[in-house]
Amino acid sequence: DGGITQSPKYLFRKEGQNVTLSCEQNLNHDAMYWYRQDPGQGLRLIYYSQIVNDFQKGDIAEGYSVSREKKESFPLTVTSAQKNPTAFYLCASSRRPGQGNEQYFGPGTRLTVT
Amino acid sequence: GQSLEQPSEVTAVEGAIVQINCTYQTSGFYGLSWYQQHDGGAPTFLSYNALDGLEETGRFSSFLSRSDSYGYLLLQELQMKDSASYFCAVRVRTGANNLFFGTGTRLTVIP
Repeated sequence: DGGITQSPKYLFRKEGQNVTLSCEQNLNHDAMYWYRQDPGQGLRLIYYSQIVNDFQKGDIAEGYSVSREKKESFPLTVTSAQKNPTAFYLCASSRRPGQGNEQYFGPGTRLTVT
Repeated sequence: GQSLEQPSEVTAVEGAIVQINCTYQTSGFYGLSWYQQHDGGAPTFLSYNALDGLEETGRFSSFLSRSDSYGYLLLQELQMKDSASYFCAVRVRTGANNLFFGTGTRLTVIP
């Protein structure tokens, strides 16, 4: 079955540590996205990538970093510079514009930093 | 910048019809999407409107008026499983499917 996987589902870290969240898709989509969702809030775009080896900052990129070395993978690193990292992180992918407008989401990783 | 407004909560009776409104202010606009998210789950795509008018998909319909910067999601024959959060999202860039999301409307369906 095609889809997006994120692991782990729950992640706990101590303040001051960097942590990397994984996102893998086998949908053959060109574009991938990372969102952050806080309780009772909408999704805010952190980073996006439209093609391998290229990515762009979204609305709230400070304190985060990404890489896109393979089409299937778009890992997100939450650095110690992110002042409030506890949140629900969602990865998504989509076809190129003109081939479809739907974003497909993974199950998410709930990160807790104490 | 971008801003979207939608009601924070709506309650409706099973079997009834409910409309969730969304107004937007964006520097660029290429379409309006709707997503459903159950508690703790991933958002799932419901509809996309790029042109004015009504799009129907089963029990769900979505409407867009570009001149009014307004859209709505219409859910008919409500079922208990429709209890979820519903997000409108605008596509703000050409050449990319980037979305800017609203804060969501929590729909509660009661017997």
